[in-house]
Amino acid sequence: LAKTTQPISMDSYEGQEVNITCSHNNIATNDYITWYQQFPSQGPRFIIQGYKTKVTNEVASLFIPADRKSSTLSLPRVSLSDTAVYYCLVGDDLQGSGNTPLVFGKGTRLSVIA
Amino acid sequence: GAVVSQHPSWVICKSGTSVKIECRSLDFQATTMFWYRQFPKQSLMLMATSNEGSKATYEQGVEKDKFLINHASLTLSTLTVTSAHPEDSSFYICSAPPPTSVNEQYFGPGTRLTVT
Repeated sequence: LAKTTQPISMDSYEGQEVNITCSHNNIATNDYITWYQQFPSQGPRFIIQGYKTKVTNEVASLFIPADRKSSTLSLPRVSLSDTAVYYCLVGDDLQGSGNTPLVFGKGTRLSVIA
Repeated sequence: GAVVSQHPSWVICKSGTSVKIECRSLDFQATTMFWYRQFPKQSLMLMATSNEGSKATYEQGVEKDKFLINHASLTLSTLTVTSAHPEDSSFYICSAPPPTSVNEQYFGPGTRLTVT
């Protein structure tokens, strides 16, 4: 699995847009990019996944440049409840269909301030 | 959506005793489940892969005789921490890939183990 690099932590005020960038210089052709969110004392939760360009769902947007060596998770108008750790994962079997475990990096600890 | 449950959500035990943690897929079958461990302020670390009908596969450095895994059915995997020590205190999380081609794995809510 491609190694990922994220900022250790970020702070934001409520109502702001938060962008968390993940570097994955060694991403392979078949790799997808997936982001998970983890609240304290809970299991991770899937947020969004993409392969290229832009993906948007009701929770977030994922921007992936043409070279795919990085990706940016965008959280619009964050609230206090968005305080969590966000993990960027890169791999070719993140769907789990091949029964491959997920490998988590250190993640980014987002703190939203009132 | 698919749900994975864990029981208990938290447990306190004395050193030297054994503790069993259950992981269940509530509305889907999982031939494979994964067990992770997470220490405070750290990321999830994969411990082992639980396979229904066969032996579990352990990651390097994880003692298979200490962390017994049994995939009893297509909806249940158990992790037993044997002869627990205070350093085994951690947050244990299981996950299971859904059978359909969705873009995620489902994680349980985790079990907080404290060994006194």
